[in-house]
Amino acid sequence: AQSVTQPDIHITVSEGASLELRCNYSYGATPYLFWYVQSPGQGLQLLLKYFSGDTLVQGIKGFEAEFKRSQSSFNLRKPSVHWSDAAEYFCAVGEGTYKYIFGTGTRLKVLA
Amino acid sequence: GAGVSQSPSNKVTEKGKDVELRCDPISGHTALYWYRQSLGQGLEFLIYFQGNSAPDKSGLPSDRFSAERTGGSVSTLTIQRTQQEDSAVYLCASSLASGVYNEQFFGPGTRLTVL
Repeated sequence: AQSVTQPDIHITVSEGASLELRCNYSYGATPYLFWYVQSPGQGLQLLLKYFSGDTLVQGIKGFEAEFKRSQSSFNLRKPSVHWSDAAEYFCAVGEGTYKYIFGTGTRLKVLA
Repeated sequence: GAGVSQSPSNKVTEKGKDVELRCDPISGHTALYWYRQSLGQGLEFLIYFQGNSAPDKSGLPSDRFSAERTGGSVSTLTIQRTQQEDSAVYLCASSLASGVYNEQFFGPGTRLTVL
């Protein structure tokens, strides 16, 4: 079965600093990969997705992610974090024809 | 346009009571999903509806959980004889069509607390 690991439960960064959130997946074929963000009291919002092609994908809110097949990773990055980026971030992999398998999430705290 | 809506936003119930959670998907979306988000856990898939096809119920944790989708639109998740371990946020999502490449749009969730 597919699985997604987000090894960091909590991450704290200062505003303006760079950010990298880790995501590792286990999947036999080329995966469909996603990053979602959940702000307090909100549903999940899609930041970006990878299906094929260029391994560096750009998303909304200045986020990007890089697919590395050799490392089974799909890490999320942002060059300069804003206080409004404080939220919980979920990595997901598509399984079969319609299911998403989600990681346990990384909660980001941003220091002023 | 309107996104996915869920009601109620919060539900507190006593152990042993039945609860119903409602989801209104985005108009025109044929696929609908229910997930459970427990503290410290990721999103756990519960059930999937696609058009008039038989739903995928493989994620329902026990026979106390059931869901229906009427007229291909609104869905209701029912939990009978609630237990404290059912306390969680229940999220609904919809997508335009089936297929993992179709973005799932999530509602704000229903926070269920079982006392």
